[in-house]
Amino acid sequence: EADIYQTPRYLVIGTGKKITLECSQTMGHDKMYWYQQDPGMELHLIHYSYGVNSTEKGDLSSESTVSRIRTEHFPLTLESARPSHTSQYLCASSSLAAQYFGPGTRLTVL
Amino acid sequence: AQKVTQAQTEISVVEKEDVTLDCVYETRDTTYYLFWYKQPPSGELVFLIRRNSFDEQNEISGRYSWNFQKSTSSFNFTITASQVVDSAVYFCALSERNSGYALNFGKGTSLLVTP
Repeated sequence: EADIYQTPRYLVIGTGKKITLECSQTMGHDKMYWYQQDPGMELHLIHYSYGVNSTEKGDLSSESTVSRIRTEHFPLTLESARPSHTSQYLCASSSLAAQYFGPGTRLTVL
Repeated sequence: AQKVTQAQTEISVVEKEDVTLDCVYETRDTTYYLFWYKQPPSGELVFLIRRNSFDEQNEISGRYSWNFQKSTSSFNFTITASQVVDSAVYFCALSERNSGYALNFGKGTSLLVTP
């Protein structure tokens, strides 16, 4: 079992709010990732990081931003949430090439 | 372009039947990894297996088995004697060295096992 945590698990907010989705891991992994998944659909990479102070955009265009100030922490921020951001957000970390996922945050923007 | 293709969108079987989930991948990288994940209705992604591009040996784990064939770029997953608890969406994924080992997922196959 991998130790990767996401909070909150569920979030319902109004349009225009700023939100931060938290992700932390205790395994000391350098690589961390954020994926977006609509219900029953495939996962899309939106951000990743190779280590502290490293962040890259993924394949799916996203209005979110990320930061990596500490190895164990990789938060994702939406400056102004919109209904189109309603989705599940999954955080992952990896050692070499084995990725472990957190439980996800289900975000609903009204 | 889709790098991982799971042609079967939905499969429905009766308990105790064997079922194979297909996965075809595309890569130009010589070093890559293939994965299968299970996503039950609760939404979490459960890691099932990882294979690297240099190891084509098939693997069996209990009722699960995987067939990796580089010649056909396939990494198929078979569940033997399926059970209701196997009902979930199964994702095949590819990670490549050239892409920092980020996962490229297929669209998933929804498996329903009925009693």
